[in-house]
Amino acid sequence: KQEVTQIPAALSVPEGENLVLNCSFTDSAIYNLQWFRQDPGKGLTSLLLIQSSQREQTSGRLNASLDKSSGRSTLYIAASQPGDSATYLCAVWTTSGTYKYIFGTGTRLKVLA
Amino acid sequence: AAGVIQSPRHLIKEKRETATLKCYPIPRHDTVYWYQQGPGQDPQFLISFYEKMQSDKGSIPDRFSAQQFSDYHSELNMSSLELGDSALYFCASSIRDRGQSEAFFGQGTRLTVV
Repeated sequence: KQEVTQIPAALSVPEGENLVLNCSFTDSAIYNLQWFRQDPGKGLTSLLLIQSSQREQTSGRLNASLDKSSGRSTLYIAASQPGDSATYLCAVWTTSGTYKYIFGTGTRLKVLA
Repeated sequence: AAGVIQSPRHLIKEKRETATLKCYPIPRHDTVYWYQQGPGQDPQFLISFYEKMQSDKGSIPDRFSAQQFSDYHSELNMSSLELGDSALYFCASSIRDRGQSEAFFGQGTRLTVV
């Protein structure tokens, strides 16, 4: 059974810092991995999608990497801003059984001005 | 581009009442997924449908049922509502295309049971 874990669960950093969020999954049989941002009480905003054949994706200050064999992904946020404060969720599109996303436990990020 | 549409966006119900949540997938998407996200929790998979047939079932209570219609929209029916059913319910849709598919999420329906 696929399990997705995110470390740390919460993170508080001063503005301007570069930071790394970690996501690990137990079953490497995935089609893709997606990072989402979620503001309190709001919906999911897709940030980056990495296909299983890819190693990384970049969008602006965000860079996500994927190491499928070791079951790990990282989301790198450069020059963090207070507006980056949110919960970040990773989700793997599993190939075991039927298709669906399995979500990680999330990292709550607070960037202090 | 058209996205996944969920309605209503907000819903308040009393205990023991019934609620129906609707999901309209992206055009030409044949698969719909439902997720439940409780306060402070990550989204949990409830159920999915492919070509109007249930394709997978997760942690969906027996009080809940769902179906996908001929136009591919889906409805999640929730009966005998409990306070613990208060959550954000997401719907997602995809095209079943081995190796390249991803799911796109709607903005969710916030259900509050009082």
